Amino acid sequence: QKEVEQNSGPLSVPEGAIASLNCTYSDRVSQSFFWYRQYSGKSPELIMSIYSNGDKEDGRFTAQLNKASQYVSLLIRDSQPSDSATYLCAVEGRGGADGLTFGKGTHLIIQP
Amino acid sequence: EPEVTQTPSHQVTQMGQEVILRCVPISNHLYFYWYRQILGQKVEFLVSFYNNEISEKSEIFDDQFSVERPDGSNFTLKIRSTKLEDSAMYFCASGANSNQPQHFGDGTRLSIL
Repeated sequence: QKEVEQNSGPLSVPEGAIASLNCTYSDRVSQSFFWYRQYSGKSPELIMSIYSNGDKEDGRFTAQLNKASQYVSLLIRDSQPSDSATYLCAVEGRGGADGLTFGKGTHLIIQP
Repeated sequence: EPEVTQTPSHQVTQMGQEVILRCVPISNHLYFYWYRQILGQKVEFLVSFYNNEISEKSEIFDDQFSVERPDGSNFTLKIRSTKLEDSAMYFCASGANSNQPQHFGDGTRLSIL
């Protein structure tokens, strides 16, 4: 049974600060890792994808992957109130047309 | 920017009835997926579809469910003999290739009465 674990929060961060979101996964052969943002009542929106160990930066977002520790993280710099949402960590397995295994998500609140 | 479109946005159905949820994936994508999210719970994978056949399915995707790509653009999820516990948001997603990011539609809220 593939598992993806996230702290459900809420995680409260002041505006302008760095928000740090974490995720662990159980299936060691997982190859692809994604962060999605989900506003209440809306669909998941892709934020970042990462496939190899290390850091990947895109604007204010940085994804970090450590396959040995089975750990993925997302950093949001200069947090804005519009970043307030639930952030979903998703993991894809062996390739082909594997479905994504999602965590329950971390509810992030950016305080103005 | 290309997007996945889903219809209807909200479907209300009596228990025991059949429903068909419709999706138009992004046009050059090859992989298609259905997920569901029960209110307050995590997004759960149902089924993936590639090259006109089911590629993978979860334990949730039992004989009550079926998928079809009836033409070159639509991708449908049929739920037969609906149950109260089928009430959820159903999301369609598509991906350009395996392991590529999946892009989600806005979802269909299915309410079973």
